[in-house]
Amino acid sequence: NAGVTQTPKFRVLKTGQSMTLLCAQDMNHEYMYWYRQDPGMGLRLIHYSVGEGTTAKGKVPDGYNVSRLKKQNFLLGLESAAPSQTSVYFCASSYSAGGIGQPQHFGDGTRLSIL
Amino acid sequence: SQKIEQNSEALNIQEGKTATLTCNYTNYSPAYLQWYRQDPGRGPVFLLLIRENEKEKRKERLKVTFDTTLKQSLFHITASQPADSATYLCALGGAFSNSGYALNFGKGTSLLVTP
Repeated sequence: NAGVTQTPKFRVLKTGQSMTLLCAQDMNHEYMYWYRQDPGMGLRLIHYSVGEGTTAKGKVPDGYNVSRLKKQNFLLGLESAAPSQTSVYFCASSYSAGGIGQPQHFGDGTRLSIL
Repeated sequence: SQKIEQNSEALNIQEGKTATLTCNYTNYSPAYLQWYRQDPGRGPVFLLLIRENEKEKRKERLKVTFDTTLKQSLFHITASQPADSATYLCALGGAFSNSGYALNFGKGTSLLVTP
């Protein structure tokens, strides 16, 4: 049972380059989330989706875009990477909203460095 | 401003003792509180959930308390083992502004259990 799979696991970009991080879940979950985790900052929500075709902004959305064309996939895009976006990115999914009690299932992260 | 505070200093305890981790929050009215475990290089893994109308929850060697008056949750691991060494995150859930029902995470406390 794969759960939540993130690709790639590591990536190094130059400032100004673009890339897309892919998240796939096989649990038929409705809700999906993108977080970033930085030392001393904890997990911060970038964007989330409450179902196929829907997306919404989290607390730190600037510089990122997302798409949820298929229920099982949630893509995070960086159009013009900046050094401040160097971080570990985690994708998570839940059966319904985490705020009403459902646990979130996380992938193992994408480690992204922007030079 | 809203804050979720967990001990920033690592907690070092001896094998067999009870580990107690603290999660304090301000300017939140969470409907739920969740605890996650995170190992180095991995994503967080859900451990326990406790609702606002529950005082205590147990699962095997784990126990969580939730005091909405003190705005505090305590997470206990009894008969601790070296394999319990990890970072533990608390997360608040509810209808917070801006992010729907997404979880808000603390920065985590590192636990080290020595033989």
